[in-house]
Amino acid sequence: AQSVTQLDSQVPVFEEAPVELRCNYSSSVSVYLFWYVQYPNQGLQLLLKYLSGSTLVESINGFEAEFNKSQTSFHLRKPSVHISDTAEYFCAVSLLSGGYNKLIFGAGTRLAVHP
Amino acid sequence: EAEVAQSPRYKITEKSQAVAFWCDPISGHATLYWYRQILGQGPELLVQFQDESVVDDSQLPKDRFSAERLKGVDSTLKIQPAELGDSAMYLCASSLVSQGDSPLHFGNGTRLTVT
Repeated sequence: AQSVTQLDSQVPVFEEAPVELRCNYSSSVSVYLFWYVQYPNQGLQLLLKYLSGSTLVESINGFEAEFNKSQTSFHLRKPSVHISDTAEYFCAVSLLSGGYNKLIFGAGTRLAVHP
Repeated sequence: EAEVAQSPRYKITEKSQAVAFWCDPISGHATLYWYRQILGQGPELLVQFQDESVVDDSQLPKDRFSAERLKGVDSTLKIQPAELGDSAMYLCASSLVSQGDSPLHFGNGTRLTVT
């Protein structure tokens, strides 16, 4: 069965420090990988995605993630975080099941940025 | 930017009562998803529609949960009777197609509290 593991449930960090949120997936086939962000009392928003091509993908607000096939990882990084980055971050993998794709989410990592 | 609309935003109900949630996806999106997100966990897929047809309801507790999308546009998720363990955020999402590279767009969810 395909699964997504986010190794850290909470990551506290000071403002302007770098951060890495870890994500590993289990799959024997090619996958599409996503990071979503959830602010308090809101739905999830797509942050970035890996479909094919360059293994390094970037978002418009300074986050980046690198697809590593050999380590089955898709870690999210930002070189300098802001207070406004405080949120829950979910890694997800697209699974083909019964002819349709569905998204499987990890348990999430709560990023808390402190001044 | 078009959004996925959900109502109500909050719902408090007593156990054994019936409750219903409504979702209006982005216009033109053929695929609609209902996810349940228990506090501190990632979203779990309950049911997936392709137009008006259910294509995945393997995780839907069918003894008490039902979902419909009669005209292939908006959708309703019902719980009857509600149980204490149903307290969670119920998220609706839609995508243009059910391809693995088609991102999901989420509504802000309905937070259900069962007392």
